Amino acid sequence: AQKITQTQPGMFVQEKEAVTLDCTYDTSDPSYGLFWYKQPSSGEMIFLIYQGSYDQQNATEGRYSLNFQKARKSANLVISASQLGDSAMYFCAMREGHYGQNFVFGPGTRLSVLP
Amino acid sequence: SQTIHQWPATLVQPVGSPLSLECTVEGTSNPNLYWYRQAAGRGLQLLFYSVGIGQISSEVPQNLSASRPQDRQFILSSKKLLLSDSGFYLCAWSVQGYGYTFGSGTRLTVV
Repeated sequence: AQKITQTQPGMFVQEKEAVTLDCTYDTSDPSYGLFWYKQPSSGEMIFLIYQGSYDQQNATEGRYSLNFQKARKSANLVISASQLGDSAMYFCAMREGHYGQNFVFGPGTRLSVLP
Repeated sequence: SQTIHQWPATLVQPVGSPLSLECTVEGTSNPNLYWYRQAAGRGLQLLFYSVGIGQISSEVPQNLSASRPQDRQFILSSKKLLLSDSGFYLCAWSVQGYGYTFGSGTRLTVV
């Protein structure tokens, strides 16, 4: 079974609008971490935001916020005030266990920001 | 500060030729090291990871191999490349309990 599901293969958003990228996960480990990465066309993987399973508040980093709904096992990324430079692939990832060795990545969502 | 170097950035190799991709990390010790492959338009597939010198775990059986001769050096190799080995290869490191930092990647085309 897929541990990370990203149901939106592609998304479009108008510049300056907000957009939500969906991510659901599956784990029986009570301790885990959730990550979002951005991959522009250059190929590099850029870390955006992190949410720990025991964190009480949703993580925020500048224009990025993570809508963490633990009971629903979802960790959606919200990008506010989209910019043309936000056009990229976005990957949701999970680390199981606080000291888990490996990450599991979702299939990604391609975001296109329209001028 | 920690940095990760990966080279070469692009590589075109004929089928049946050998492969060696190198990844080195600076500014940290005893990192966990990873090799991922990404096929065109797809997600990341974990190939190998290492928690220490000489310790290699393989996630996917294939004609690739990995080695960790030094604490901060991770090498991906093949004796004979296949067409299906084409893809984007990413090296990454992490410290236990924290996230990954990725290298800039190597785009391999096997012709």
